[in-house]
Amino acid sequence: AQKVTQAQTEISVVEKEDVTLDCVYETRDTTYYLFWYKQPPSGELVFLIRRNSFDEQNEISGRYSWNFQKSTSSFNFTITASQVVDSAVYFCALSEATYNTDKLIFGTGTRLQVFP
Amino acid sequence: GAVVSQHPSWVICKSGTSVKIECRSLDFQATTMFWYRQFPKQSLMLMATSNEGSKATYEQGVEKDKFLINHASLTLSTLTVTSAHPEDSSFYICSAQSGQGRSNQPQHFGDGTRLSIL
Repeated sequence: AQKVTQAQTEISVVEKEDVTLDCVYETRDTTYYLFWYKQPPSGELVFLIRRNSFDEQNEISGRYSWNFQKSTSSFNFTITASQVVDSAVYFCALSEATYNTDKLIFGTGTRLQVFP
Repeated sequence: GAVVSQHPSWVICKSGTSVKIECRSLDFQATTMFWYRQFPKQSLMLMATSNEGSKATYEQGVEKDKFLINHASLTLSTLTVTSAHPEDSSFYICSAQSGQGRSNQPQHFGDGTRLSIL
């Protein structure tokens, strides 16, 4: 069965620290997508990244970077030089392979608090 | 691009009332829309998937007569919580996706609706 585990419930850091959010997934599919979403206190979900299972290249976008390793079924997210505005709940998600739709399986989320 | 508008953002109503939540894709055609429910400090749980013009597919344990979903056009889906009770109080979020099947398009989420039933 598909499953996403975010073992870190809450992380607190001081501004400018680097922080890595862990995500481990389980799937029997050979083709799948992995996602990260940010949910600030206001509640909306902000799409951050989508990665397909055949693309193991790491990605960097500004202060954000993602490390996808199929060998360990992990898709970790690193924020470099964190800022107070990064405070939010971050969800990792896996798309489930059904024949006609992209269902998302979400992890339980990691609450990141960045203190000034 | 890829803006999803959800309305209302906050609803407080009495027990027994039916509440309708709208989800609109503003700048793209959403072949598929999804409805999620999120309890405080918990993850998002998929309630149902709707494809334009067809009946919604509900997840196990979700009462389809309680949570009525209509996806009548490529830009609008509605979720109606019928005869709402306090246990239905939650944060409801919709998402929309263009394309169908194993598409390459991500889901784009609305801002959510906070429903409180007194």
